Amino acid sequence: GQQVMQIPQYQHVQEGEDFTTYCNSSTTLSNIQWYKQRPGGHPVFLIQLVKSGEVKKQKRLTFQFGEAKKNSSLHITATQTTDVGTYFCAGLRGDYKLSFGAGTTVTVRA
Amino acid sequence: DAGVTQSPTHLIKTRGQQVTLRCSPKSGHDTVSWYQQALGQGPQFIFQYYEEEERQRGNFPDRFSGHQFPNYSSELNVNALLLGDSALYLCASSRAEKQYFGPGTRLTVT
Repeated sequence: GQQVMQIPQYQHVQEGEDFTTYCNSSTTLSNIQWYKQRPGGHPVFLIQLVKSGEVKKQKRLTFQFGEAKKNSSLHITATQTTDVGTYFCAGLRGDYKLSFGAGTTVTVRA
Repeated sequence: DAGVTQSPTHLIKTRGQQVTLRCSPKSGHDTVSWYQQALGQGPQFIFQYYEEEERQRGNFPDRFSGHQFPNYSSELNVNALLLGDSALYLCASSRAEKQYFGPGTRLTVT
């Protein structure tokens, strides 16, 4: 079955630094979605990427979908304490099953 | 406009018992998906309901069943509970592919 892998599992970042989290699928995806889950909370939709090579920006967050539509990345610049949480990628094929990665848990040192 | 609501918030059950979890989707949404999230893991797709039918199912045993009502609300039933069923159960509603998650039901099986 489809598997979505995310690395790294944990990311400890100094406030103000940049970091990237990566997502890889074993199969080609129709789209990929990114969610953020704060400690004790539920996943909140961030963005959806559909096109091969697509790049989208939300303020300090940059999302990219690979040319083969099997991988994606999330890059955060100038990390702030509000960025704390777990970031999940989730891949969708044409079968309505959204497959989540295990997430990257981000902590920030002030 | 209320978001996705779930009840109960927390639940403690004993092995072998049965449990029913409930979900009310966001207004205007006709699709409900259920996920199981174990501690430190990403949400795992259980099944999705659309037009009162199970449209897609993940790799979960038949002990997990569901229902969608004409008003689009949904129930998740789990029979013969195992210790390993302890998790956060998330409901997500959607009209297209963007999913809105509810706060979840924390199920503990002792």
